[in-house]
Amino acid sequence: AQRVTQPEKLLSVFKGAPVELKCNYSYSGSPELFWYVQYSRQRLQLLLRHISRESIKGFTADLNKGETSFHLKKPFAQEEDSAMYYCARFNYGQNFVFGPGTRLSVLP
Amino acid sequence: DAGVIQSPRHEVTEMGQEVTLRCKPISGHDYLFWYRQTMMRGLELLIYFNNNVPIDDSGMPEDRFSAKMPNASFSTLKIQPSEPRDSAVYFCASSFGGELFFGEGSRLTVL
Repeated sequence: AQRVTQPEKLLSVFKGAPVELKCNYSYSGSPELFWYVQYSRQRLQLLLRHISRESIKGFTADLNKGETSFHLKKPFAQEEDSAMYYCARFNYGQNFVFGPGTRLSVLP
Repeated sequence: DAGVIQSPRHEVTEMGQEVTLRCKPISGHDYLFWYRQTMMRGLELLIYFNNNVPIDDSGMPEDRFSAKMPNASFSTLKIQPSEPRDSAVYFCASSFGGELFFGEGSRLTVL
């Protein structure tokens, strides 16, 4: 079965510190990987998708097929980055599978 | 496009009542998903449709839950009868070409 794991339920860092949110996925075919962000009481929004190779709000994520990982990184966390982050995978013809999410708390 | 539109945004009802949640996907999207979000269980996929056809409903908790998509621009999720443990935020999302767009969610409270 397709799986996405995010080992940390909660991650707290101080403002200005680097942050890495971990994501691993089960290997199956050629999935697309995404990061979605949910700010307090809002809808989930797309943050990054691996095929676009963009940096959004200072965040980057590299797909490592050998380690089946898609970790999200930012060199200097900001307080406004505090949110829930979900890693997700998608295979065409199938559904989106989301990880359990990591709550990032950036402390002043 | 106004994005994925869900209604109602908030619903408070009593146990045993029927609840109907509605979703209008983004025009042209061929996939529609219903998710449930709770603190305890996170984001759970309930059911998804492709071109209005239900593809996988294995996430629907029990027979009290049903979902329909009569046409490409409308879907409903119905709970009958509702129970307090159904209290959650229900998200609808639509997709085309691999990117998922979420609605604002319907917050359901069953007393």
